[in-house]
Amino acid sequence: NAGVTQTPKFQVLKTGQSMTLQCAQDMNHNSMYWYRQDPGMGLRLIYYSASEGTTDKGEVPNGYNVSRLNKREFSLRLESAAPSQTSVYFCASRETPSYEQYFGPGTRLTVT
Amino acid sequence: RKEVEQDPGPFNVPEGATVAFNCTYSNSASQSFFWYRQDCRKEPKLLMSVYSSGNEDGRFTAQLNRASQYISLLIRDSKLSDSATYLCAVNYRGGNKLVFGAGTILRVKS
Repeated sequence: NAGVTQTPKFQVLKTGQSMTLQCAQDMNHNSMYWYRQDPGMGLRLIYYSASEGTTDKGEVPNGYNVSRLNKREFSLRLESAAPSQTSVYFCASRETPSYEQYFGPGTRLTVT
Repeated sequence: RKEVEQDPGPFNVPEGATVAFNCTYSNSASQSFFWYRQDCRKEPKLLMSVYSSGNEDGRFTAQLNRASQYISLLIRDSKLSDSATYLCAVNYRGGNKLVFGAGTILRVKS
């Protein structure tokens, strides 16, 4: 049981480049989440998917898009990366009706 | 005012000490509460849920004070391995989301 996995672990982009962060969970959870974590800011929700086929904006969605590909996979896309998107990105999943979330190991993204 | 607030610390304590952190929340409709532990450059990991009656897991005790809108985490007999950032998280009734505090840094020294 791998839990929540994320790829890549590290990425460096130039301003304006695009990329997709991948997340998969093998716990058969319904809900999945994307967060970013910046020093002193804590975890901020970018987008979430309450169930397969649905996605909703979180606190900081601008500059990002998401796709819930199937129940297991939830990807985050940066269409035109900006230095302000330099951060650590965490994916998480939750089995309803519990509210406990379980996190992947994170992707460290630097945009120069 | 932030929805969930924590003292960022750091709390520097000697091994064997007892240390407590608080986390305040602003929405009185909050329903579920959690403490997460995050080691340096790692993902947050669920430490414990916080129940209305309070709950204990070994050296860790979590309490909820609805009247004053805060939760607390007490760590007894601190170990070097307890050094980490402790995040609180709050769910609002019926919602799909958790709101996280920015975390409290604990450093346990020998």
